[in-house]
Amino acid sequence: GESVGLHLPTLSVQEGDNSIINCAYSNSASDYFIWYKQESGKGPQFIIDIRSNMDKRQGQRVTVLLNKTVKHLSLQIAATQPGDSAVYFCAEKWQGGKLIFGQGTELSVKP
Amino acid sequence: GAVVSQHPSWVICKSGTSVKIECRSLDFQATTMFWYRQFPKQSLMLMATSNEGSKATYEQGVEKDKFLINHASLTLSTLTVTSAHPEDSSFYICSASKTSGGFDTQYFGPGTRLTVL
Repeated sequence: GESVGLHLPTLSVQEGDNSIINCAYSNSASDYFIWYKQESGKGPQFIIDIRSNMDKRQGQRVTVLLNKTVKHLSLQIAATQPGDSAVYFCAEKWQGGKLIFGQGTELSVKP
Repeated sequence: GAVVSQHPSWVICKSGTSVKIECRSLDFQATTMFWYRQFPKQSLMLMATSNEGSKATYEQGVEKDKFLINHASLTLSTLTVTSAHPEDSSFYICSASKTSGGFDTQYFGPGTRLTVL
């Protein structure tokens, strides 16, 4: 199918713990993936991206891992903070530049 | 920078009326813009791809006569929801594509909340 899916719709973590959000994609031809954070009532905010010629990319407190063999993406957030509470989407770039979004995972950080 | 704005941020209208939503790239030119809709607790669904100076390309299941898209300049695309009904109530989000180093990146607007009474 033409979809990018997530394994976990909700995730609750303790402040200070690490968070891992997963995503499965179906198009093996996709070569660019992005993670977005969306707070309530706002547009998606870019977090980190990765191209298919890489299997890992690190940003500030975030790491994206790409496993092309099993078509799986993950977003790791280190030392999760209350401000990280939001919905996280993975997106897959298709031909023509359009993005196909996954279903989203709601991250809740408990103080 | 790469800032995208939308106007209005929210709108309430009566059933049967038409509503226009604007999407602007403030500090870059965008030959391509995208329109998405998002229902509560759901993901973003691509509605159409808007190209400057040409007709928009609609995704399967999206009525082009219902959702009129005009990309009249390199910094402005508009989405008009015609004869709006309560089921059109949704969060509409646009993005604008910026090319840098031969690579396109989409920058998203803040969204427009449409409520049809």
